[in-house]
Amino acid sequence: EAGVAQSPRYKIIEKRQSVAFWCNPISGHATLYWYQQILGQGPKLLIQFQNNGVVDDSQLPKDRFSAERLKGVDSTLKIQPAKLEDSAVYLCASSPRTSGRALETQYFGPGTRLLVL
Amino acid sequence: AQKVTQAQTEISVVEKEDVTLDCVYETRDTTYYLFWYKQPPSGELVFLIRRNSFDEQNEISGRYSWNFQKSTSSFNFTITASQVVDSAVYFCALRAIIQGAQKLVFGQGTRLTINP
Repeated sequence: EAGVAQSPRYKIIEKRQSVAFWCNPISGHATLYWYQQILGQGPKLLIQFQNNGVVDDSQLPKDRFSAERLKGVDSTLKIQPAKLEDSAVYLCASSPRTSGRALETQYFGPGTRLLVL
Repeated sequence: AQKVTQAQTEISVVEKEDVTLDCVYETRDTTYYLFWYKQPPSGELVFLIRRNSFDEQNEISGRYSWNFQKSTSSFNFTITASQVVDSAVYFCALRAIIQGAQKLVFGQGTRLTINP
């Protein structure tokens, strides 16, 4: 079974530029998460999708971050415009379960490492 | 507060030594789950264990063991006879309700280096 795929693996941009990350979850997984992991810290949830609907985006900085999950499969996370403090690893995870039970069974991708100069 | 503290930022041991990673949590929930994840250099988080608050039995899986103590709000992780492949960053996490939604709250992580 293929794991969670993410691209690109690395991205370097200048502040105020835009950037987009892509995630392809494990086939059939209903729930998809995006996390931000700043260097030296644990991951922080940005947004949770169940199929193509948003379950929780309370920690997403909506003035600059946006995410979508078209057709309940792939997802993209966008930052526009980027700030220096957005430098982090962006992790995507998926789960075959829904609601709170999805947290018990998450499969993580390798992440996209973003550096904002 | 819903919080996880991993006080050990980095640990370095020689192969075959035993090592314990500490995790202390704070939660206002009466029912909760605790997790440990491993993050190797490749970047993805690998699930190791999940424990619910009703089950205080310690668990052993091969060289890995976990000691859950509600009285001290701790969920420590021990690797016996460590190996170089155990080198990674390890995260303890708490499933908590924050702003009305269930989330995983992660500790800061402990970077474990096993030297040959």
